[in-house]
Amino acid sequence: AQKITQTQPGMFVQEKEAVTLDCTYDTSDPSYGLFWYKQPSSGEMIFLIYQGSYDQQNATEGRYSLNFQKARKSANLVISASQLGDSAMYFCAMRERSRGNQFYFGTGTSLTVIP
Amino acid sequence: NAGVTQTPKFQVLKTGQSMTLQCAQDMNHNSMYWYRQDPGMGLRLIYYSASEGTTDKGEVPNGYNVSRLNKREFSLRLESAAPSQTSVYFCASSDPTTNTDTQYFGPGTRLTVL
Repeated sequence: AQKITQTQPGMFVQEKEAVTLDCTYDTSDPSYGLFWYKQPSSGEMIFLIYQGSYDQQNATEGRYSLNFQKARKSANLVISASQLGDSAMYFCAMRERSRGNQFYFGTGTSLTVIP
Repeated sequence: NAGVTQTPKFQVLKTGQSMTLQCAQDMNHNSMYWYRQDPGMGLRLIYYSASEGTTDKGEVPNGYNVSRLNKREFSLRLESAAPSQTSVYFCASSDPTTNTDTQYFGPGTRLTVL
């Protein structure tokens, strides 16, 4: 079974609008971390935001927020006030404490911001 | 503070040739990783090193070897390159003593095997 599922291969959003990128995960480990990374066309992987399984509140980092619904095993990324520079691939990832340092990545969502 | 650096940025090999991808980090992280990224597949873990002196296989280790030379450096070796190893290779590092244990990535190496 896939550990991380991103069901939206491509998304479009109007500049200045908000957009939600979906991510669901599969784990039986009570302790895990969820991450979002951005990969622009230049290719580097940029860390955006982290959510721990025991965190009571949704994580926020500037225009990025993580909508964490533990019971549904979803960790959606919300980007508010989209900018042209947000156009990129976005990857969701998970680390399970029981598996040490191994990260599992989803297949990514390509976001295009339209002027 | 350069973060994670990788060399080379690009490489073209012929089938059967060998090469070593180099990775270094200056963040004093204990853990280091090698991933490959193929279209539509996301990133897949090849090998990782939880600390200096240890290495472990990830999801796709076949055809690769690694060396954790010291705390800063973690190299990936292809002994006999195959076209199936054409990919983008990323090195990453993290500090497992932190709450988040976030992985930070290098710029990647684009490898083509003919």
